[in-house]
Amino acid sequence: EPEVTQTPSHQVTQMGQEVILRCVPISNHLYFYWYRQILGQKVEFLVSFYNNEISEKSEIFDDQFSVERPDGSNFTLKIRSTKLEDSAMYFCASRGDTQYFGPGTRLTVL
Amino acid sequence: AQSVAQPEDQVNVAEGNPLTVKCTYSVSGNPYLFWYVQYPNRGLQFLLKYITGDNLVKGSYGFEAEFNKSQTSFHLKKPSALVSDSALYFCAVRDLYSSASKIIFGSGTRLSIRP
Repeated sequence: EPEVTQTPSHQVTQMGQEVILRCVPISNHLYFYWYRQILGQKVEFLVSFYNNEISEKSEIFDDQFSVERPDGSNFTLKIRSTKLEDSAMYFCASRGDTQYFGPGTRLTVL
Repeated sequence: AQSVAQPEDQVNVAEGNPLTVKCTYSVSGNPYLFWYVQYPNRGLQFLLKYITGDNLVKGSYGFEAEFNKSQTSFHLKKPSALVSDSALYFCAVRDLYSSASKIIFGSGTRLSIRP
């Protein structure tokens, strides 16, 4: 069964550093998403991506965040200058008839 | 605004007993409802969905959910719980006002099955 994969599983970084989280969506899906889950809180939508551009973004997704599909298979989330409050589990998802989620990347900002 | 509510933070059930994890929704229009499960270190796994049709939806691992329009509920059920069902369960709804069909999650219910 096809699945969404994410790397790394855990990323530790210093405040102010840039991080790139990587995802490989399911190959025939056209919509891609990033969500995040701060420890103990709800899963929240960040951004959706379709046809090589952002189709929708939340208030959380400010100028520090960007997404890219650099090579037709990977889908990345970049945080330019991490803050302590960016520490969370980040989930990638892709959608055919249903959204399927990856295993997540746990980002820890020190 | 569209939302789902999970009134129980934790549900405890003995193995072999039936289980129910509750969810209510608030949606203008016809809801698209989902259940996802989060096992430790395993991410969010799709269990089942309701879009239209039969109110009883069957999903993975023996789970089912019943859509009840009059009670605006979509409770997750299983006739006989297994210890391996212990996990965090999320009810969710598709945002009908979202051009990208983003999903809005409930707060989650931790299901604990004791042997």
